[in-house]
Amino acid sequence: DGGITQSPKYLFRKEGQNVTLSCEQNLNHDAMYWYRQDPGQGLRLIYYSQIVNDFQKGDIAEGYSVSREKKESFPLTVTSAQKNPTAFYLCASSPWTENEKLFFGSGTQLSVL
Amino acid sequence: SQQGEEDPQALSIQEGENATMNCSYKTSINNLQWYRQNSGRGLVHLILIRSNEREKHSGRLRVTLDTSKKSSSLLITASRAADTASYFCATDAGSYIPTFGRGTSLIVHP
Repeated sequence: DGGITQSPKYLFRKEGQNVTLSCEQNLNHDAMYWYRQDPGQGLRLIYYSQIVNDFQKGDIAEGYSVSREKKESFPLTVTSAQKNPTAFYLCASSPWTENEKLFFGSGTQLSVL
Repeated sequence: SQQGEEDPQALSIQEGENATMNCSYKTSINNLQWYRQNSGRGLVHLILIRSNEREKHSGRLRVTLDTSKKSSSLLITASRAADTASYFCATDAGSYIPTFGRGTSLIVHP
């Protein structure tokens, strides 16, 4: 999927547990994004990062955390504070200049046990 | 709230027919993009149209943009069963951060 790898494809979380979703890109893109997709609600932005060691909250950041220690990697942690984590999570990247398209990974389906 | 909203939510057509889906948005944009998503997969970029453009073509796809009405349309001509997917518009609302609508689910019957 365009040089972006998300893992795992399926993930199960127990109540009170933190889980981390992996996102790696080899496109040399500066910007990376995390979106959450629920049925009938489209994609909602969780966090984005324009540069290493910097990231910004999106529309639904509560209960999530991210890090950007390397240009290639942008992991997302779903914390126990996120009470409704079941969703399809999509990572994307772009070169961060105006008028640039996003490249998406194949997604991670997170479910609660 | 979402910037762009697609219409209709669902569309069912026969192979060979044209499919038209629309996107309306609320605030001024720099560009508008259309993406496709097959079930359970990531999104794939189809076409980008800038705010100073009115129409763009790519193969069987035609996109129009009317900034005065804050709307765009995606036309897929001579549709095929393989076009079955969800289609999303994404607008940047001046911030270059793409914001997605809820999508149109297209089913093309063989």
